[in-house]
Amino acid sequence: GAVVSQHPSRVICKSGTSVKIECRSLDFQATTMFWYRQFPKQSLMLMATSNEGSKATYEQGVEKDKFLINHASLTLSTLTVTSAHPEDSSFYICSARTPDGNYGYTFGSGTRLTVV
Amino acid sequence: SQQGEEDPQALSIQEGENATMNCSYKTSINNLQWYRQNSGRGLVHLILIRSNEREKHSGRLRVTLDTSKKSSSLLITASRAADTASYFCATGRGNNNDMRFGAGTRLTVKP
Repeated sequence: GAVVSQHPSRVICKSGTSVKIECRSLDFQATTMFWYRQFPKQSLMLMATSNEGSKATYEQGVEKDKFLINHASLTLSTLTVTSAHPEDSSFYICSARTPDGNYGYTFGSGTRLTVV
Repeated sequence: SQQGEEDPQALSIQEGENATMNCSYKTSINNLQWYRQNSGRGLVHLILIRSNEREKHSGRLRVTLDTSKKSSSLLITASRAADTASYFCATGRGNNNDMRFGAGTRLTVKP
């Protein structure tokens, strides 16, 4: 089946540094990927929609300059958290629509970001 | 922003019992999907129901959709301890079918 690989699974970084999270579709092409953020014991909040070859579409309240999204190929989307702060610590998850045309989605395994 | 609400927020049952979780939403949808998430892990797709469908089954799962009430329910029959997880509904909207998630239900099945 369609698999999305997300890397890294865990990352700890210092305040002020940047962190890049990768999301790859392994056996299918994903023209659109979605990035979510999840706080402990809460739901997933859609941050942005990543479109191959064009600019990402950000949800209201999400800072474009802080959360840089690049979807340079049909199998790779990246989310870079720039100038990270402790409040950016969260669980970030990407997803892509499965290629079967049935509107199902496959999710990456998530990245636990801790900013110290 | 989140699309809707789920209830209950937490549910604790004994193995073998049935578990029912509800989801409500606010806007028109293309479809509604249910996902499962084990603690600190990614999401696993369980079932998708289209806006023109009313009920769907998959193994021990039964999903209903009432578009007039903008609500859905997920029933897990004959629950097992391994069913312990958080369950989320997500509504697909618009041309991209971008998904918005409900708040989730934390299900605990006691052996």
